[in-house]
Amino acid sequence: QKEVEQDPGPLSVPEGAIVSLNCTYSNSAFQYFMWYRQYSRKGPELLMYTYSSGNKEDGRFTAQVDKSSKYISLFIRDSQPSDSATYLCAMSGDYKLSFGAGTTVTVRA
Amino acid sequence: DAGITQSPRYKITETGRQVTLMCHQTWSHSYMFWYRQDLGHGLRLIYYSAAADITDKGEVPDGYVVSRSKTENFPLTLESATRSQTSVYFCASTRTLTGSNEQFFGPGTRLTVL
Repeated sequence: QKEVEQDPGPLSVPEGAIVSLNCTYSNSAFQYFMWYRQYSRKGPELLMYTYSSGNKEDGRFTAQVDKSSKYISLFIRDSQPSDSATYLCAMSGDYKLSFGAGTTVTVRA
Repeated sequence: DAGITQSPRYKITETGRQVTLMCHQTWSHSYMFWYRQDLGHGLRLIYYSAAADITDKGEVPDGYVVSRSKTENFPLTLESATRSQTSVYFCASTRTLTGSNEQFFGPGTRLTVL
C-alpha cells in the first residue's frame, strides 16, 4: 500500500465549476501538507501548504486537512482554463516529501 | 538566470550506456534532491544531498549514482542505462528541512532508453 493515495483522474470540468481534489495517507507523523501544481512539460511548483489540521484559503483555492481521518482536500472555486494542470499532494514529516500520484484536471472553456 | 536548471532537457540513449543528468541551482540551497516521475507513481525520490559531499539514498536508488562536489551542482549518473529507467527526472532544492520544506523544482529531463 502506498503511503499517499491520490486518484489520478483525469478530471474534466466546465469553466466556473468547483474542482475538488483529495488525498489519503497512512503515516501519522506527517505534519505539513502541500499541494503542488504541475503544468504540462514543467516542474511542479508549490501552490499551498497547511500545517497540521485545519483550513487555509488563498484566493480561489482552499486547502483542508483532517488528520483524524488522514484525509486532505483542495478546492478550486470559479475554475479557469488556466487551472488546467496536474495537482500533486505532498506531505512532510521529516526530511523528505511523500507525493501522491497526481490528478490531471482540465477546465473546459 | 536565478533558479534551478537541468540539462539536457531531452535525452535518448541506448541500453547499457552511461548517462549523466545535470542540475544547477543559484540560490545556495543546502539540500538538493533527484526524483523520477512515472505515470501512476507520482514523484519518487532517488537520492538527496544535505550539503557538498553529503549524499544519501532515497526510495529508488538502484542503478543511479550521485555526487556533489559543489553546493550548486548535483549531477545524477545512470551507470548502465536500462529501459526501466525511461522516465522524467526532476531535480529540486530547498534551503531548510524545517517547516514546510518547500522544494523548488527544475524543468525536468525527459530520458528515453532504447
